[in-house]
Amino acid sequence: QKEVEQNSGPLSVPEGAIASLNCTYSDRGSQSFFWYRQYSGKSPELIMSIYSNGDKEDGRFTAQLNKASQYVSLLIRDSQPSDSATYLCAVYTLSMEYGNKLVFGAGTILRVKS
Amino acid sequence: DAMVIQNPRYQVTQFGKPVTLSCSQTLNHNVMYWYQQKSSQAPKLLFHYYDKDFNNEADTPDNFQSRRPNTSFCFLDIRSPGLGDAAMYLCATSRNQAEINEQFFGPGTRLTVL
Repeated sequence: QKEVEQNSGPLSVPEGAIASLNCTYSDRGSQSFFWYRQYSGKSPELIMSIYSNGDKEDGRFTAQLNKASQYVSLLIRDSQPSDSATYLCAVYTLSMEYGNKLVFGAGTILRVKS
Repeated sequence: DAMVIQNPRYQVTQFGKPVTLSCSQTLNHNVMYWYQQKSSQAPKLLFHYYDKDFNNEADTPDNFQSRRPNTSFCFLDIRSPGLGDAAMYLCATSRNQAEINEQFFGPGTRLTVL
């Protein structure tokens, strides 16, 4: 089965710092990568998508992708207490055996301390 | 605003009593998904519809069924809920199943089984 691995955390950072969230995946053929934010008791919210190697920036968020290393990360600059949530990494896999689907990691809990 | 709507937000049922969860979308997306998410776990795909084409995950129990009567609506039927079926049930949609496949989630239904 295709896997997506994340450190469960919690990752604690002070307000205003950079939070760095990491994710590795096993399917070398994956082409699409997503970060979702999930507040406690709520549903996942898409915050970033990335399809090419390198960096993609959107406001305070930067997604980084390295397909050779099978590694994707999310940087949150100027972290705010409102960023405290679970961040889910999701990888779209294409598989003859398992079908095409989005595979989620279990998430990293981020806590931003004021 | 275009959105994914789930009803009810909270559902309490008794062990073995059938329950139906509903999802509707105004995004006019072709694909609708049902996920199950238990506490501190990744969302787990149960099945999805591409238009009227139903796709069941191999490990989805027979106790779970789905219906999609039209483009906008999709239902999840749990025929005989067990205590292990208590979870958040998430409906998601995407425009298609191409690799650039952003999925958008509804608010979820929290199912409690007594």
